[in-house]
Amino acid sequence: KNEVEQSPQNLTAQEGEFITINCSYSVGISALHWLQQHPGGGIVSLFMLSSGKKKHGRLIATINIQEKHSSLHITASHPRDSAVYICAVKWGRGSQGNLIFGKGTKLSVKP
Amino acid sequence: DAGVIQSPRHEVTEMGQEVTLRCKPISGHNSLFWYRQTMMRGLELLIYFNNNVPIDDSGMPEDRFSAKMPNASFSTLKIQPSEPRDSAVYFCASSLGVGSNQPQHFGDGTRLSIL
Repeated sequence: KNEVEQSPQNLTAQEGEFITINCSYSVGISALHWLQQHPGGGIVSLFMLSSGKKKHGRLIATINIQEKHSSLHITASHPRDSAVYICAVKWGRGSQGNLIFGKGTKLSVKP
Repeated sequence: DAGVIQSPRHEVTEMGQEVTLRCKPISGHNSLFWYRQTMMRGLELLIYFNNNVPIDDSGMPEDRFSAKMPNASFSTLKIQPSEPRDSAVYFCASSLGVGSNQPQHFGDGTRLSIL
């Protein structure tokens, strides 16, 4: 069974700070997703990674397959980044099933 | 462009009643997913379809839950009979293709309360 652990569970930052959220998993995977859930409940897919690094605006996601670890970084954080960030891993063969989710990291960015 | 559309947004009903949640995926997407989110368990994949065919329903909690996708533009998740522990937010998502490099697009969710 694949366990997905996120840290920290809660994070409070001041506007402008550099933020890192971590995700570790226990079994080899084929892909890792980072999702953002807004305070209103809507979910947005931010990244999907199977190796290396991806960047979109102020967001950067990295994955280390050997260490079974991924990080989501937010540069120059802003109050609108306040949300729950969820890591999900896909493992096993086949198409997009077998997604296992972390419990999420709740981020609050203060002005 | 229209995203994934779920209805209703909120549902409150009494224990024992049948509940039907609806989802319209993004046009052209051929994979559809149903998720449940609770405070205790977080997000869980219930079932997913590819080209209208159920591929993996191992996440469906029990026989009271059933899902159908009669065509490419519509899916339902039904709970019969409903129980208070089914109270959760149910999300539908769709994606283009079956590869793991395709992003999933989520609907706004249906907040279900079973009294």
